[in-house]
Parts: sequence; structure tokens; C-alpha cells
Amino acid sequence: DVQMTQSPSSLSTSVGDRVTITCRASQSISNYLNWYQQKPGKAPKLLIYAASSLQSGVSSRFSGSGSGTDFTLTISSLQPEDFATYYCQQSYSTPYTFGLGTKVEIK
Amino acid sequence: QVQLQESGPGLVKPSQTLSLTCTVSGGSISSGSYYLNWIRQPAGKGLEWIGRIYASGITNYNPSLKSRVTISADTSNNQFSLKLSSVTAADTAVYYCAREAAFFDFWSGNQYYGLDYWGQGSLVTVSS
Repeated sequence: DVQMTQSPSSLSTSVGDRVTITCRASQSISNYLNWYQQKPGKAPKLLIYAASSLQSGVSSRFSGSGSGTDFTLTISSLQPEDFATYYCQQSYSTPYTFGLGTKVEIK
Repeated sequence: QVQLQESGPGLVKPSQTLSLTCTVSGGSISSGSYYLNWIRQPAGKGLEWIGRIYASGITNYNPSLKSRVTISADTSNNQFSLKLSSVTAADTAVYYCAREAAFFDFWSGNQYYGLDYWGQGSLVTVSS
């Protein structure tokens, strides 16, 4: 199985800040990497697919980059509705695997 | 607008079989092009992929659960189902169904997959 490691596990930040979350795969997954946002009590929401492609309807303040084993999700200017937990997921091979999540909290 | 809705018992006894159904509206599951997935999330923890089924009936399962999992589709009712046998307390979780869409990248010619529509989740507790 491909192991996905996210960092940090949590971060405290303020509205307007730039936020960067990192995801590392245990082997090369090319750019078969997705990012999801999950709010408490809700299902995850697809933000980014293919490492850098913005899902329809998602704000352009979200962006993704990376290829191979190292990937990044960036939120350019954090908004109140962005406080949530973010997960990366590899779609390179089954079993699909997720990172353990990064909780973005209000400072 | 595509919508998915999980349904099934919220309480299952240890050693019994967990059964959940996902009803899809706003699109036919037999139209092809989509995998239909099950994912679970224990309280306060991360997401675990359980498995998926394609319109043709082809399935893929997580090896960690493969011996206990069956995913099937009922195209006449636009539903797909999850059965997990011999459950223990470790199977207590919120169970999600999700559609996996294919995104075609014209420039690379590659096809990418992402879970673009999810159900709201169904909490299943394993307890006597």
C-alpha cells in the first residue's frame, strides 16, 4: 500500500494568512493526488485533483502543486469558512489511502 | 444534481454483518464512467477506503478488509451496497458512500480519479 504522510497534523492561524500543508507519498505516485476539506459532522469535499487541478466550484484561493512523492496544498488567504481538516489521498493505485489529516484552527 | 444517501442499521452486534445501502439520485449508476466507493471514518480519526464497484460489476477491495467485505450494485433501484461480516468494536465508524469521477487531462492524455460526490455519512456502532 502507498503510505501518505501529512504535515503538520494541526496548525493555528489567522484569517488572511497564507497556509501551506504538505503531503508525502511512500513511493512515486506521479500526480495522482487529491485534496479534500472536511468540516465537523460533514462529508469530505473534493478541492483538488491530479495534484493541481481545481475542482469545479472551488475557490481559486486553493491551489495544489507537486509530483512524484511530494505535494503541497496552499490556501492563499485564509477565510473563516476554511477552518477545517484537510486530507490528501492518492489515486495512483488501490487500495486508495489518505493522509491522517491537517486540522486548521483559529489562532 | 447528483446526491448520495446512506441507509441502514445504526447498531450492529459483534460477530454479525453490517449492511448499508447507498441510494444515488440525479444520475444512473449503470451509465458507466463512475466507480462507486465506500469509505469509513472512526470518531476523531482519519479516512479509510473500504472498496469500490464499477458499473460493470468489477470490484476492488482494501486487502485489510477483503475477507469480510462485499460490495454489490442494484442498478434497477440505482443503489449500491456494503456488507461487512464478523464485525467487532473496531468497525464502529461513520460510513460514507462516494462517487468516483474520472477527469481527463487533454494535454497529458491521462485520466485522473477523485471522489466528487459523497453521502452525508451513516454512523454504525458495533455493540452488544
